[in-house]
Amino acid sequence: KNEVEQSPQNLTAQEGEFITINCSYSVGISALHWLQQHPGGGIVSLFMLSSGKKKHGRLIATINIQEKHSSLHITASHPRDSAVYICAVRSRGSEKLVFGKGTKLTVNP
Amino acid sequence: NAGVMQNPRHLVRRRGQEARLRCSPMKGHSHVYWYRQLPEEGLKFMVYLQKENIIDESGMPKERFSAEFPKEGPSILRIQQVVRGDSAAYFCASSPPSAGRTDTQYFGPGTRLTVL
Repeated sequence: KNEVEQSPQNLTAQEGEFITINCSYSVGISALHWLQQHPGGGIVSLFMLSSGKKKHGRLIATINIQEKHSSLHITASHPRDSAVYICAVRSRGSEKLVFGKGTKLTVNP
Repeated sequence: NAGVMQNPRHLVRRRGQEARLRCSPMKGHSHVYWYRQLPEEGLKFMVYLQKENIIDESGMPKERFSAEFPKEGPSILRIQQVVRGDSAAYFCASSPPSAGRTDTQYFGPGTRLTVL
């Protein structure tokens, strides 16, 4: 079993829909990251969380430390949100990130 | 403040040649991380370096791969005697010096290595 599991693996939505991507992990962590990888391959860091909730524009990330679970929400989705969204965790006492396999999101106009 | 720079963006090598990938961290950042993304797979940690020191190389293959981050100049990921299985996207990320361990890592655009 991978340390970081994401669901769904693929997600297709219509423009305007509310999107949720889930991430579960099995180790104690010091931080959780949500990353966005564009079709061209570049990676952008969206959020880093250690507790609670963060919001940036139409993106919201939440984390439940007790449940070892995080969600990334996109409100009013747009075709430009189409990308692979990757969850990554930093284990306690380590600097390295362990990545989920990513969720490929396609938002159709 | 320029972001993390990687060059070259694309690199083609024949089997047996050497590949050198360069990463210039963001200004003021002294922590560098290298990750590899094999085709159709997720990102995997390779190595974590601070200036002149390798801190964690637990993700590096034992042979042919090496990394350095000298006092002056970029970090270098070196792959000797490349094989087809080394074809992948190699990403570098950097973070600032910090007493805590909760810093965001900023990613470079990646180097796509193709081994013929």
